[in-house]
Amino acid sequence: KAGVTQTPRYLIKTRGQQVTLSCSPISGHRSVSWYQQTPGQGLQFLFEYFSETQRNKGNFPGRFSGRQFSNSRSEMNVSTLELGDSALYLCASSVSSDTPQETQYFGPGTRLLVL
Amino acid sequence: GQSLEQPSEVTAVEGAIVQINCTYQTSGFYGLSWYQQHDGGAPTFLSYNALDGLEETGRFSSFLSRSDSYGYLLLQELQMKDSASYFCAVRALTGGGNKLTFGTGTQLKVEL
Repeated sequence: KAGVTQTPRYLIKTRGQQVTLSCSPISGHRSVSWYQQTPGQGLQFLFEYFSETQRNKGNFPGRFSGRQFSNSRSEMNVSTLELGDSALYLCASSVSSDTPQETQYFGPGTRLLVL
Repeated sequence: GQSLEQPSEVTAVEGAIVQINCTYQTSGFYGLSWYQQHDGGAPTFLSYNALDGLEETGRFSSFLSRSDSYGYLLLQELQMKDSASYFCAVRALTGGGNKLTFGTGTQLKVEL
């Protein structure tokens, strides 16, 4: 079974631009979560989508948004990019959303550099 | 909110045993997870503890004490390939879903 895939793997943008990142979960997984990883702040939860609905949202400004499609693929969008948005953006998928011991499987991430 | 504390770095020699501690503060608690991340790679799931005690999976074991809000990851027979960052993570009761709060991570260096 193929793992979680994320595209693009690397991206360079300039301040003020917007960016869209894509995540394809493992087949059969309906939950997709997004995380931001930076050296200073570590791994921080952005949001989770399950069956096309946002279930949870982390403490990020409204410039960060996402959506999920009927095939469970998810996109996240960052508008008006700032230098501090430079990070590794990780997507994780799991079968369901409410099982406490549910394992999340991470994709390789998209490394975004904002200049 | 939730917060998790881990040592920032641990160094050990090949073949040794190392323990990575994690203390957490959370308003609700389902269980404690551990993830491994190699440089440039994705975090990979190692273990999950919901109940007190030790869970063993090959060379890796994970322990949880809910009353002490404390857990640890034990790595035995260390190999060079175990050099990586290790994160503990908790899942909050409030809000439901798969929101994980991660610790700051422990960088493990295995030396010859």
